[in-house]
Amino acid sequence: KAGVTQTPRYLIKTRGQQVTLSCSPISGHRSVSWYQQTPGQGLQFLFEYFSETQRNKGNFPGRFSGRQFSNSRSEMNVSTLELGDSALYLCASRPGGGGYEAFFGQGTRLTVV
Amino acid sequence: DQQVKQNSPSLSVQEGRISILNCDYTNSMFDYFLWYKKYPAEGPTFLISISSIKDKNEDGRFTVFLNKSAKHLSLHIVPSQPGDSAVYFCAAGNTGTASKLTFGTGTRLQVTL
Repeated sequence: KAGVTQTPRYLIKTRGQQVTLSCSPISGHRSVSWYQQTPGQGLQFLFEYFSETQRNKGNFPGRFSGRQFSNSRSEMNVSTLELGDSALYLCASRPGGGGYEAFFGQGTRLTVV
Repeated sequence: DQQVKQNSPSLSVQEGRISILNCDYTNSMFDYFLWYKKYPAEGPTFLISISSIKDKNEDGRFTVFLNKSAKHLSLHIVPSQPGDSAVYFCAAGNTGTASKLTFGTGTRLQVTL
């Protein structure tokens, strides 16, 4: 079974631009969550999508948004990028019907210059 | 307010010995806990989980202990192997908020020969 796939792996953007990151969950998993990892703040929850609906949201500004498609693939968008948005963005998938474990992709390393 | 704390940033253990990683939490609403292992530039890899209705869960060389009254959990790795060298994150969640995991800041484990 293929794992969680995130694309692209690395990205460099300029301040003020926007960026879209993609995540394909494990086949059959309906829940996709996004996390931001920075050296100062650790791993922080951004939001979760389940069956194309946002089910949970963390404490991030509205510049961070996401969506989920009918095939469970998810995208995350960050608009008006700031230097502080430089981070490793991680996607995690869960079956959604129970069970605790979230399985992570390898992440997208975003650098804002 | 850090709800999940890993107070030891690093730990060094000899190969073959026991590694004990600790985690404390403050939120009484957490009802399940997980441990993840992470290598640089990769996503976290799920290791083991425990529900709040249990006080111990074992999987091979990994055992997690939960002390609810002390709001403390620990991960024991026996015997430790050089391949275990990585950063270990403790995470907590509540079944009511599904995929929203709150992570500790991690403990870097180094297993020496």
